[in-house]
Amino acid sequence: GESVGLHLPTLSVQEGDNSIINCAYSNSASDYFIWYKQESGKGPQFIIDIRSNMDKRQGQRVTVLLNKTVKHLSLQIAATQPGDSAVYFCAENISPSHASGGSYIPTFGRGTSLIVHP
Amino acid sequence: DTAVSQTPKYLVTQMGNDKSIKCEQNLGHDTMYWYKQDSKKFLKIMFSYNNKELIINETVPNRFSPKSPDKAHLNLHINSLELGDSAVYFCASSFTSREQYFGPGTRLTVT
Repeated sequence: GESVGLHLPTLSVQEGDNSIINCAYSNSASDYFIWYKQESGKGPQFIIDIRSNMDKRQGQRVTVLLNKTVKHLSLQIAATQPGDSAVYFCAENISPSHASGGSYIPTFGRGTSLIVHP
Repeated sequence: DTAVSQTPKYLVTQMGNDKSIKCEQNLGHDTMYWYKQDSKKFLKIMFSYNNKELIINETVPNRFSPKSPDKAHLNLHINSLELGDSAVYFCASSFTSREQYFGPGTRLTVT
């Protein structure tokens, strides 16, 4: 899962397995969370989001779980495919009333590299 | 029908030079951003800007300045380039408080 450190955390899975990527966030005032996928040579791409009044949200083959008690977010990918190989980022947004100047600054986690073996 | 575009894709320049990276979005978003991604893939926000407010990450050197001629454009100007500025720079846009759409990135190499 994601962590502060010198190296990009890596998760290796076999094609067809389920993948779980974890993220710890820092700010209890964050009210909106997003997962992004970044393929090699490209910009991050939105996958799924969740608001702080929810604890689970499902998309196509992906599920995001939010545990506000321990400030933990996870992304579950079902039946992982080679095309899922990428770096995955979680991001937290703080609502404007809590951020300086009335706007918000999104904060990204360090990222996790997912490698899917055929 | 590119949503967020950046130019150039690659930029190689010498220390001390001044350069600009251009960004355009055609999504009608009200907020645009610049990020720096280092060699370890860490994404650091540099600026957040809409037509009302510029939010600057306080760790960004004042050699970096965003310039927005209109709502659809946010260019990044860098003065007196240093070796440590070498990175991939991403432009992004969004509606306020929503998910961001990223450009393809500009790989800057300072020699």
